[in-house]
Amino acid sequence: AQSVAQPEDQVNVAEGNPLTVKCTYSVSGNPYLFWYVQYPNRGLQFLLKYITGDNLVKGSYGFEAEFNKSQTSFHLKKPSALVSDSALYFCAVRPSILTGGGNKLTFGTGTQLKVEL
Amino acid sequence: SAVISQKPSRDICQRGTSLTIQCQVDSQVTMMFWYRQQPGQSLTLIATANQGSEATYESGFVIDKFPISRPNLTFSTLTVSNMSPEDSSIYLCSVKGTESNQPQHFGDGTRLSIL
Repeated sequence: AQSVAQPEDQVNVAEGNPLTVKCTYSVSGNPYLFWYVQYPNRGLQFLLKYITGDNLVKGSYGFEAEFNKSQTSFHLKKPSALVSDSALYFCAVRPSILTGGGNKLTFGTGTQLKVEL
Repeated sequence: SAVISQKPSRDICQRGTSLTIQCQVDSQVTMMFWYRQQPGQSLTLIATANQGSEATYESGFVIDKFPISRPNLTFSTLTVSNMSPEDSSIYLCSVKGTESNQPQHFGDGTRLSIL
């Protein structure tokens, strides 16, 4: 069975500082990994994905994430946080097509990011 | 990416009643899904809506409680039947294209409160 852990319920960071939101996963075979953001009263917005290739993936709004196979991690990062980045962030995983595939996404419990002036 | 519209955006319902949530996409999509997000919790997949056949339900969810329709490639409905306060949640529709490496995209959700 696949699973995702987001160990921090909340991350606080000052505007202009770098931010990291942590995610570790468990899945059989190679993973497809995703980050989503949820603003109040909105659905989930896709930020970025790792499918294969370069371990550092870049996404929307200046976010990036680094895939680390040995540590089974996919941490979300941004070099300089903005107050407008304050939202709820979800990491998600599903197995790759090469290892059985399936479309079921498993989500982490979410991390509330708060960026303060 | 596709534009996904959900209706209603929110509702307050009496226990024992049923509510049907609509999901409309502005282009044809291969796969449509329904999720539940309970207050302060993560997303849980209810079912995959299959065009022209019965939905595929996840463990813990049954058709009698959550009947789903998908008459075509751009539209689906989820009904929450015989509601109780425990059904108070956000219900989200998502879509995905054919290729395996494509992400799912979500509608804004329906915020449902049961009195």
